Amino acid sequence: GENVEQHPSTLSVQEGDSAVIKCTYSDSASNYFPWYKQELGKGPQLIIDIRSNVGEKKDQRIAVTLNKTAKHFSLHITETQPEDSAVYFCAVTSRDNYGQNFVFGPGTRLSVLP
Amino acid sequence: EAGVAQSPRYKIIEKRQSVAFWCNPISGHATLYWYQQILGQGPKLLIQFQNNGVVDDSQLPKDRFSAERLKGVDSTLKIQPAKLEDSAVYLCASSVNIAKNIQYFGAGTRLSVL
Repeated sequence: GENVEQHPSTLSVQEGDSAVIKCTYSDSASNYFPWYKQELGKGPQLIIDIRSNVGEKKDQRIAVTLNKTAKHFSLHITETQPEDSAVYFCAVTSRDNYGQNFVFGPGTRLSVLP
Repeated sequence: EAGVAQSPRYKIIEKRQSVAFWCNPISGHATLYWYQQILGQGPKLLIQFQNNGVVDDSQLPKDRFSAERLKGVDSTLKIQPAKLEDSAVYLCASSVNIAKNIQYFGAGTRLSVL
């Protein structure tokens, strides 16, 4: 089955700096790659996603890059703010005989220090 | 637009007892997912419904877990009997349909099994 790894597991940055989280996957058939932000006591919230036919996508301070050959994708957050502090999960999905198989990474705890 | 509603928010039971969780997805969303999130880990997909039919339950421990979505709207997830290792947050998510991958998550039910 799909194996998703995420690095680093924890990340501390100063406010205003950039943060980068990397996710690697094993199934070359995977075709959809979302990133979720989870705050304490809340469910994950989609912040950005990318499909396999696109190499990069940007939304204000957040961007995602995808390297399908190397089977990894990364979340980039620029000009970090204290409210960016949360746990970030990558996810990978591909169609199989059952429909869609969503697999989440183990998460990265981001702390933005004021 | 109302989000995914889950209840209860918290539940404490003793091992070998039974427990049920309820989920009401976003109106019009045909696909519903149940995830188990153990503390410090990413969500793990348990079961996926398309309307009132099961698309994928390959990771559901069927000897003790069951789920239904009889009318294709609300869903319940049951554990009977519970084990200590079932302590986790149970998340419900919904999406427009299987082809539209974007999932919207509820806040989850935190289960503690003593």
